[in-house]
Amino acid sequence: EPEVTQTPSHQVTQMGQEVILRCVPISNHLYFYWYRQILGQKVEFLVSFYNNEISEKSEIFDDQFSVERPDGSNFTLKIRSTKLEDSAMYFCASSAGGAQGYEQYFGPGTRLTVT
Amino acid sequence: QKEVEQDPGPLSVPEGAIVSLNCTYSNSAFQYFMWYRQYSRKGPELLMYTYSSGNKEDGRFTAQVDKSSKYISLFIRDSQPSDSATYLCAMSPIARSAGNKLTFGGGTRVLVKP
Repeated sequence: EPEVTQTPSHQVTQMGQEVILRCVPISNHLYFYWYRQILGQKVEFLVSFYNNEISEKSEIFDDQFSVERPDGSNFTLKIRSTKLEDSAMYFCASSAGGAQGYEQYFGPGTRLTVT
Repeated sequence: QKEVEQDPGPLSVPEGAIVSLNCTYSNSAFQYFMWYRQYSRKGPELLMYTYSSGNKEDGRFTAQVDKSSKYISLFIRDSQPSDSATYLCAMSPIARSAGNKLTFGGGTRVLVKP
């Protein structure tokens, strides 16, 4: 069964450093998303991406964040200068769209720890 | 008022019992409703989705939506210890659209005891 994959599973970084979180969405999907979940809190929407551009972003997704689809398979989230409060689980999701539906399938997540 | 509210639990039931979960929401624009299961430190796993009011059944799972009351439910029949997890409701305003932002409830932790 196709699934969303994410790497790394756990990333530890120092405050102020740049991190790139990687995702491989399900292969025929056209819509891509990033969410985050701070420990003990709700899953929160960060950004959606379609047709090589951002469709929607939340107020959390400020200038420190960027997304990219550098090739036909990967989808990345970059945090330019990490803060302590960026520590969270980051989930990538994808959906097919069109007649195949808009249900979002999530990856296993990357646990980001900022020290 | 929070957009989506969900009792955090924990909800403890004996094996074989029916698990009943629910969410309330305040945004009448929400049209698309999903239930996810999340094991500890794992990604949300899609269980059920529905676009309309009424019931939808899939195996042991039944999803129910009442848009007039802004209330959705998930029922799990014949519960198993492997159903022990956190159950998240999620919803969005537009069912068929690019940038389909999901708004999640806080999750209900369920414990099924053998």
